[in-house]
Amino acid sequence: QVQLVESGGGVVQPGRSLRLSCAASGFTFSRYGMHWVRRAPGKGLEWVAVIWYDGTEEYYADSVEGRFIISRDNSKNMVYLQMDSLRAEDTAVYYCLRGFDYWGQGTLVTVSS
Amino acid sequence: DIQMTQSPSSLSASVGDRVTITCRASRDIRSDLGWYQQRPGKAPKRLISAASTLQSGVPSRFSGRGSGTEFTLTITSLQPEDFATYYCLQHQSYPLTFGGGTKVEI
Repeated sequence: QVQLVESGGGVVQPGRSLRLSCAASGFTFSRYGMHWVRRAPGKGLEWVAVIWYDGTEEYYADSVEGRFIISRDNSKNMVYLQMDSLRAEDTAVYYCLRGFDYWGQGTLVTVSS
Repeated sequence: DIQMTQSPSSLSASVGDRVTITCRASRDIRSDLGWYQQRPGKAPKRLISAASTLQSGVPSRFSGRGSGTEFTLTITSLQPEDFATYYCLQHQSYPLTFGGGTKVEI
């Protein structure tokens, strides 16, 4: 069955960096676009970024453009989110998605001094 | 960017009630819309794709309608496990955008 397992969350100071990872299994990874979505405490869902199945295209939310980079390694069935210049408003649970259907359980990122 | 306006933001209902949630898009998104349910502490789950296609394993009391700019999610005969927050998501163009969410409470 499809499994998506996020890791790499934690507490980080404002301005610092963090890299999230998502390990995928149970499907042909190289055939699917992969997304990151987040939910800040007390807020709704916010789409963050997408990477094409072959890694040739990426798109970002305006709120993270220029600070976050999504990437993937199809040989390892992994997708990543490099988050730089983190801000307090980036505090959220970050979810990895296969296309628009399957979601991981999420990893919590807290940006605080 | 396409704005998704979801209403109501919350509602109170009882077991057995019929509930309708609406999402309006700021421009035509055809049928490029999904509906998601999120229970507390859990990952969201897709209920409906392509505006009206029920996902496998989702109870038939859930239904979606609409195209263009106006969409609805209806739950007939609300069950205890349906008390959750519901979101629409447009995937017609990037950046993708969610509606603000509807919290369905007892």
